Amino acid sequence: GAVVSQHPSRVICKSGTSVKIECRSLDFQATTMFWYRQFPKQSLMLMATSNEGSKATYEQGVEKDKFLINHASLTLSTLTVTSAHPEDSSFYICSARDGPDGYTFGSGTRLTVV
Amino acid sequence: AQSVTQPDIHITVSEGASLELRCNYSYGATPYLFWYVQSPGQGLQLLLKYFSGDTLVQGIKGFEAEFKRSQSSFNLRKPSVHWSDAAEYFCAVGETSARQLTFGSGTQLTVLP
Repeated sequence: GAVVSQHPSRVICKSGTSVKIECRSLDFQATTMFWYRQFPKQSLMLMATSNEGSKATYEQGVEKDKFLINHASLTLSTLTVTSAHPEDSSFYICSARDGPDGYTFGSGTRLTVV
Repeated sequence: AQSVTQPDIHITVSEGASLELRCNYSYGATPYLFWYVQSPGQGLQLLLKYFSGDTLVQGIKGFEAEFKRSQSSFNLRKPSVHWSDAAEYFCAVGETSARQLTFGSGTQLTVLP
């Protein structure tokens, strides 16, 4: 089946630094990928839709300058959290459409900003 | 706008007992409906999905779900729960176009020995 690889699985960074999270579709091409954020014991909230070769579409309330998304190829989307602060600590999950009726999720990245 | 409601935040069942997790959705057209399971610190694994056809959908790990249009529901069931089923379960609805999923708030399942 379709596989989405997300790295790193865990990252700890200092406040003020930037962190890049990668999301790769391993055995299929993904023109559209989605980035979600999940707070402890809460549901997934869509942050943005990443479109290959074009700008990402951000959900209301998500700072596009803080959460930079790049989708330069059909198999890779990256989320960069810039100038991270402790309130950015969260679980970030990507997903990709793997067909007309399927979504495959990455294993998530636990970001801790200290 | 579409929305998903999972009324039960936390459910506890004994191993071997039957399980039903509730999901209600709000969507104007026929929705794409999904159930996912998430173990702590992990991503989401698809249990089953419904797009059209037979309203009773079979999934992995012995799970099934029934789409009831009249009740706007898509409840997840399992006849006999195993200890390994303890996890967070999310119901989600998707649009017919290539857009994102909208998730419910999740139901935490605890399985007692």
